[in-house]
Amino acid sequence: NAGVMQNPRHLVRRRGQEARLRCSPMKGHSHVYWYRQLPEEGLKFMVYLQKENIIDESGMPKERFSAEFPKEGPSILRIQQVVRGDSAAYFCASSPPDLANEQFFGPGTRLTVL
Amino acid sequence: AQSVTQPDIHITVSEGASLELRCNYSYGATPYLFWYVQSPGQGLQLLLKYFSGDTLVQGIKGFEAEFKRSQSSFNLRKPSVHWSDAAEYFCAAHAGGTSYGKLTFGQGTILTVHP
Repeated sequence: NAGVMQNPRHLVRRRGQEARLRCSPMKGHSHVYWYRQLPEEGLKFMVYLQKENIIDESGMPKERFSAEFPKEGPSILRIQQVVRGDSAAYFCASSPPDLANEQFFGPGTRLTVL
Repeated sequence: AQSVTQPDIHITVSEGASLELRCNYSYGATPYLFWYVQSPGQGLQLLLKYFSGDTLVQGIKGFEAEFKRSQSSFNLRKPSVHWSDAAEYFCAAHAGGTSYGKLTFGQGTILTVHP
């Protein structure tokens, strides 16, 4: 059973461009979480999604950030008009529907904004 | 507000020495508790978790953690550290129920192992 997959692993964008980060959860997992790790900081919760639904987006910045988890395909975290402060590692985690307490993390996408 | 605190930013130990990483939490009720390890440039790997029951929890790689309600602590221990244990360690918690498993992380403790 493959683990949580994230791509790309590294992403470089110039200020003002869009960044799209993808996350494929483990097989059988229908819950997806996104976390952000800024330099020298711990991980901060951003958003929790189930298939086709955003359940909790209390950690998402109000502007430029959006997330989705469609019926088919990976979960996408989209950052529009990136700024240097968006440079961070973005981690996706998934959990099965009957055990929402334990999350399995992907390797992360490291976003660098020039 | 709910929070998780790791008081030690950086710990250095010699290989073969014992290790204890501290973690304190502030929640209205006992949360679900976790320890994760992150190697440089990698994702997080779950070492162990505490939901309820026995307060001494065994994990992978020879790690264990003890839940102490009176001290609101969940410290991670290992009797003999190996050079491969050098990494960053995160304590995390969530309140269950309507928190939907949303994890709150501590700031992390970087472990350096001297030969």
